[in-house]
Amino acid sequence: NAGVMQNPRHLVRRRGQEARLRCSPMKGHSHVYWYRQLPEEGLKFMVYLQKENIIDESGMPKERFSAEFPKEGPSILRIQQVVRGDSAAYFCASSPPLRTSGRPDTQYFGPGTRLTVL
Amino acid sequence: DAKTTQPTSMDCAEGRAANLPCNHSTISGNEYVYWYRQIHSQGPQYIIHGLKNNETNEMASLIITEDRKSSTLILPHATLRDTAVYYCIVTRGGADGLTFGKGTHLIIQP
Repeated sequence: NAGVMQNPRHLVRRRGQEARLRCSPMKGHSHVYWYRQLPEEGLKFMVYLQKENIIDESGMPKERFSAEFPKEGPSILRIQQVVRGDSAAYFCASSPPLRTSGRPDTQYFGPGTRLTVL
Repeated sequence: DAKTTQPTSMDCAEGRAANLPCNHSTISGNEYVYWYRQIHSQGPQYIIHGLKNNETNEMASLIITEDRKSSTLILPHATLRDTAVYYCIVTRGGADGLTFGKGTHLIIQP
């Protein structure tokens, strides 16, 4: 059973470009979460999505950041007009559907995408 | 989610049990205690979780005090590969975003 997959693992962008980070959840999981880890800091929750719906985006910066989880395909975290402060590791996690777990939905993390903005 | 307090760092000799404490005095009745670890810059790895009973799996044991205000993660026979930052997180579960603190940097000494 493959774990959470993220690609690319490393991404380099120049200021002003767009960054697209992809996340494929574990098989059978329908909930996706994105977290950001700035250098020398802890992980910060950004957004929680289910298929075709954003459930909680309380941690998302108000501008330039967006996320989607389409009916088909991976979840995408999109950062427009990147700035140097966006350089960080971005982690995706997934959890199973609430109705099947019967217990709290453990989140399983992917290996992350390291974004470097030049 | 309730706030947790962990020591900044700890050392443990290889082969010995590593006991990592966590205080969560404001935990609510419906909140679980979760432990994750992050080795170097990898993605966080789930270790174990519990509500009020002690739990054990192939990786670790979790001891939760009767009043649920604190817990201890036990790695029974620490190896060098257990060197990592360990995060204690209190959450209702469901589908909430997790709140990561600074964690405990556990260093296993040869």
